[in-house]
Amino acid sequence: GNSVTQMEGPVTLSEEAFLTINCTYTATGYPSLFWYVQYPGEGLQLLLKATKADDKGSNKGFEATYRKETTSFHLEKGSVQVSDSAVYFCALTAGTASKLTFGTGTRLQVTL
Amino acid sequence: DSGVTQTPKHLITATGQRVTLRCSPRSGDLSVYWYQQSLDQGLQFLIQYYNGEERAKGNILERFSAQQFPDLHSELNLSSLELGDSALYFCASSTSSQGQGIGYTFGSGTRLTVV
Repeated sequence: GNSVTQMEGPVTLSEEAFLTINCTYTATGYPSLFWYVQYPGEGLQLLLKATKADDKGSNKGFEATYRKETTSFHLEKGSVQVSDSAVYFCALTAGTASKLTFGTGTRLQVTL
Repeated sequence: DSGVTQTPKHLITATGQRVTLRCSPRSGDLSVYWYQQSLDQGLQFLIQYYNGEERAKGNILERFSAQQFPDLHSELNLSSLELGDSALYFCASSTSSQGQGIGYTFGSGTRLTVV
């Protein structure tokens, strides 16, 4: 079956530090890959996505590149802000189904 | 506001009771998905409806059921509640029923506490 593995959190960074959250996947066929973000007390918001190998998704300074050879979709940001503190979920859809399979989430805390 | 509306936001009920959670999808979206988020299980897919018909089923207990009405709103019914059913229940919607690259729009969730 399909699965997503994310690095364990929490990740604590100082403001302006570089962020990487690792995500690897197992899927049948060619999945589409997503990063969602959940701010405290809110639902999940789509942050970025990539639908084929070597695609780079980007939004709000965050980037992730679909790496088929390493089955990875790591999230990066060059300079994090306190407002980026949230839980980040890597997810995929595969085949004809539109059901999302999520990783366990990684909590990011950014301090001044 | 994401456009997906879930009610109620909070619900506290006793074991053995039955509750109904409601979701109105974003305007124009035909698919509705229900997810359960708990500390130990993470985000678990429960069920998907598309234009009134069930399309996919995940880890949904037999005590739980859902439906999507002609106006496209959906309800998730949870019965014979147990302490372990305490969780955040999210609804999401999308325009299509299948295919790659579809991003969902999530509601803000219903927090269910079973005491």
